[in-house]
Amino acid sequence: DSGVTQTPKHLITATGQRVTLRCSPRSGDLSVYWYQQSLDQGLQFLIQYYNGEERAKGNILERFSAQQFPDLHSELNLSSLELGDSALYFCASSSGLAGGENEQFFGPGTRLTVL
Amino acid sequence: GNSVTQMEGPVTLSEEAFLTINCTYTATGYPSLFWYVQYPGEGLQLLLKATKADDKGSNKGFEATYRKETTSFHLEKGSVQVSDSAVYFCALRKDQLTFGKGTKLSVIP
Repeated sequence: DSGVTQTPKHLITATGQRVTLRCSPRSGDLSVYWYQQSLDQGLQFLIQYYNGEERAKGNILERFSAQQFPDLHSELNLSSLELGDSALYFCASSSGLAGGENEQFFGPGTRLTVL
Repeated sequence: GNSVTQMEGPVTLSEEAFLTINCTYTATGYPSLFWYVQYPGEGLQLLLKATKADDKGSNKGFEATYRKETTSFHLEKGSVQVSDSAVYFCALRKDQLTFGKGTKLSVIP
């Protein structure tokens, strides 16, 4: 158990819909990262938040957005869903910023299926 | 940009066989290098890491050496067990983590 929790575990929805994925980082960790794992693209970094502020963006679509709340939990919002958005979405947390020697701890993931 | 290439799977080995999973990278400067493991139904776990050239990372019998001259970080284990069956990801970090596609390892008794 990494200490990072993600809800829900599974999500099934239809094209065009909007969903919210939730992540609670390890106690004391200030950084939260979101990743997408799909069969064709592999594991890709989406976005990072540090202490409530966006720190870095990766291959995140404009239809996707995220935020980190004062209690440090984070939500990833996916809208206008397409079939190709079906993937496993991971959250990770670390104590500091990405450039330091801070190990990222991964949650168990949310499996999103878009029908 | 940064990229990681690792050998395609799946890899199937008998218990106690020798394991090598090749990984090469492209990056500017000197990134930190990692191997992560993903067991079925779980998130990624850090297996080992190396932060500078010629460093050797090791954990649970797995080893990998940071080779700057060949831009490689191959994962090895002398004797695999059934419990090592998982997907292994090579990754580099320059600010953010960049992952390879993953290699699925199945170890049969």
